[in-house]
Amino acid sequence: GENVEQHPSTLSVQEGDSAVIKCTYSDSASNYFPWYKQELGKGPQLIIDIRSNVGEKKDQRIAVTLNKTAKHFSLHITETQPEDSAVYFCAASAGGTSYGKLTFGQGTILTVHP
Amino acid sequence: DTAVSQTPKYLVTQMGNDKSIKCEQNLGHDTMYWYKQDSKKFLKIMFSYNNKELIINETVPNRFSPKSPDKAHLNLHINSLELGDSAVYFCASSQGSLGAFFGQGTRLTVV
Repeated sequence: GENVEQHPSTLSVQEGDSAVIKCTYSDSASNYFPWYKQELGKGPQLIIDIRSNVGEKKDQRIAVTLNKTAKHFSLHITETQPEDSAVYFCAASAGGTSYGKLTFGQGTILTVHP
Repeated sequence: DTAVSQTPKYLVTQMGNDKSIKCEQNLGHDTMYWYKQDSKKFLKIMFSYNNKELIINETVPNRFSPKSPDKAHLNLHINSLELGDSAVYFCASSQGSLGAFFGQGTRLTVV
């Protein structure tokens, strides 16, 4: 089955700096890669996703890149703010009839210091 | 107007008991899921279900069973609860090529 590795496990940055979280996946059949943000006591919230036919996608301060050959994808957050502090998860899915059937990475605790 | 709602939010129960967690989605999605988040925050899929197919993660004990009375609901029944079942359980739903939308979670504590 699919295996997703995520690094780093913790990331601490100053407000205004950029943050980068990296993931690798093992199953070449995976073609959908969402990123989730989980705040304390809440469920994971989908913040951005990328599909295998796209190399990069941007939404305001958040961008994702995908290298299908190397089987890795990354989340980039620019101009970080304290409210970006949360646990971030990458995930992979083979899509088909079940895009919500996800294999998650281990999570990254992001702390943005004011 | 919560999209995916779960009840209860917290559940404390004794070993050996049987309990249920309810989930409802008002997004009109055709597929629902249950995920388990352990104490290290690791998220793992337990079940995916639509009106045609139930897919069970092979590592899930058969004490866990999903029950879907209709397309908008997927409840989780757990028999003979064990200490190791303590975790946060998330319900989610998806439609087509959209990713999963998660509920707020149910924190289950078995004592």
